[in-house]
Parts: sequence; C-alpha cells; structure tokens
Amino acid sequence: EAQVTQNPRYLITVTGKKLTVTCSQNMNHEYMSWYRQDPGLGLRQIYYSMNVEVTDKGDVPEGYKVSRKEKRNFPLILESPSPNQTSLYFCASRIGSSGANVLTFGAGSRLTVL
Amino acid sequence: KQEVTQIPAALSVPEGENLVLNCSFTDSAIYNLQWFRQDPGKGLTSLLLIQSSQREQTSGRLNASLDKSSGRSTLYIAASQPGDSATYLCAVLSYNTDKLIFGTGTRLQVFP
Repeated sequence: EAQVTQNPRYLITVTGKKLTVTCSQNMNHEYMSWYRQDPGLGLRQIYYSMNVEVTDKGDVPEGYKVSRKEKRNFPLILESPSPNQTSLYFCASRIGSSGANVLTFGAGSRLTVL
Repeated sequence: KQEVTQIPAALSVPEGENLVLNCSFTDSAIYNLQWFRQDPGKGLTSLLLIQSSQREQTSGRLNASLDKSSGRSTLYIAASQPGDSATYLCAVLSYNTDKLIFGTGTRLQVFP
C-alpha cells in the first residue's frame, strides 16, 4: 500500500531532550515536507525537500532540523525541544517538484513537550 | 501574503442535509486550490483539486467550485451522512511560491 509512515505517533517528552520524528514514504516521491498543526493557526510548513540532499526552510523552521540522505526518508529533528513545540506534526510527500501534484500525508505525530 | 479563511469554523447538521463549506483567499494569483478531509488520528486525505483554469470539480457527492477573481471556493456536500463527519481543510498554491497555504478548517458533524 502506498503510504507515508510517521513514528512515533504519540510522544511526551521534557524540555531539552533531543528527539527525532521519522518519516518514510514508499512511493518514490521526490518532494517531502513537514507541517505542524496548531489550533487557530492551521497547518504551517516547517521544512521541505525537493529531492535527496536538497532541503529548504518553510514558514516556521526555528528549532527544527531535517535531513534527506535517502529518497524515502525525511526525519524531523528537535535538538532541544521547548513547550512551544507541542503540536501535531504531519509529514507529506508528492511526486515530482510541481505543486500541481497532490500531497499524500502521514497519519500525524502528536508531540507534547513538558 | 496569501491568507486563507474558512467559514464556518464548525457546523453540525442532521443526516441528509445538503451543505456548503466556504473558503476564501486574499491573493487571486493561485496555481490551484485543494480540499482535504482530516479525521482524528489520521492524516489528511485529498478530496478534490481544482486548477486555476477550472471552475469546478466533482467526486461522488462532493462538488467544489472555484471563483478565482473573487477569491472564493465552496465545497458542496450532497445528502450528508454521519460518515462525512470530519474536519475539512482548503489549501491554495500561489503562483509565486511552491507552498500550500492552508485554512484553519471547518469541523463538520453530521448526526443521525
């Protein structure tokens, strides 16, 4: 089944403890992206990647890092999480570089930082 | 800067009603507009994608229209069912960026 898989789905952590949220897609998509969703603010893009070894900042990149060493994986790294990073995170991918192509989303990762 | 607004924020209707969800955007220079469905504990599912040159798209009981000049889109759901209960998001892709800008969604509840 074609899908985007995120792990963990739920995580409670403490301020300053480094964590990684993994994202993997099995559709050979070039484009991958991370979003966070907060009440009243909608989905906002954190980082995106047009292809392997190519990453760019989205609208809210502060406090996050990403890497794209393989086409299928796009992990989101929080080096020193803070409570304002408590949110619902989505990874998404699409074929090619064109925004005309439909995004496929993962199921989401709910992160709580205490 | 593109801004996307969805009204109403929440809607509760009895089963069988036809309903309309609204989406407005501030910059009409868009490449396309997409409607998504979000279910609790699940990701977003793409429902309909309307290119800027199109006026509407249909899929089953769903019909989405686009009026680019006025900055509006509507999602029409015919004969609503309890299974339609979810949050519906619209998103636009502007010409000068490659990013989808999302609205904050309409939370729909259809009760039997």
